[in-house]
Amino acid sequence: GAGVSQSPSNKVTEKGKDVELRCDPISGHTALYWYRQSLGQGLEFLIYFQGNSAPDKSGLPSDRFSAERTGGSVSTLTIQRTQQEDSAVYLCASSSSTGNTIYFGEGSWLTVV
Amino acid sequence: AQTVTQSQPEMSVQEAETVTLSCTYDTSESDYYLFWYKQPPSRQMILVIRQEAYKQQNATENRFSVNFQKAAKSFSLKISDSQLGDAAMYFCALSYGKLTFGQGTILTVHP
Repeated sequence: GAGVSQSPSNKVTEKGKDVELRCDPISGHTALYWYRQSLGQGLEFLIYFQGNSAPDKSGLPSDRFSAERTGGSVSTLTIQRTQQEDSAVYLCASSSSTGNTIYFGEGSWLTVV
Repeated sequence: AQTVTQSQPEMSVQEAETVTLSCTYDTSESDYYLFWYKQPPSRQMILVIRQEAYKQQNATENRFSVNFQKAAKSFSLKISDSQLGDAAMYFCALSYGKLTFGQGTILTVHP
């Protein structure tokens, strides 16, 4: 597709389970971002990938959160042992190396029950 | 470190009127990008307008324009002829490496 694609769109999981969220960026975009947005809140930075450079992981809230980007394209955000406070929309975005235009996916809505 | 501040948690405007949303930022960099994003209840982030810091000319996109004051580190968004569909949360953001967002401003448009 032409835009940033995220899956699943919605995920309901039981507390303590692991979840994986996927992001497929726009073709050719070297930069990829993950953000989290809780209900009624702003966007919380999680992690930033730029080409082959080491990712900026400074926003990951705990060691239960991890992300990888395979082949410089698709990224997976993994949350282990989910907790109710992890319930949020997880937004992925991508851009070219210059960062002059950044496009977002539609988000993955995660509910932990 | 980069910071972005939106001091107006909520704003309202009458349909067809003009409204200005404020944004200030801080960065030690000289070459960066600034954005305004619109987020309706669907949570989709929609790019409204962008500004390259090295350009003095203010960006415009139809009814949307910005007032970019680099020395003052200010980047406000003006919406002219407001429409009911403009109602949403608006985020100001700065891009240098990672993208840093402000807290957002909820815009209500009254018919």
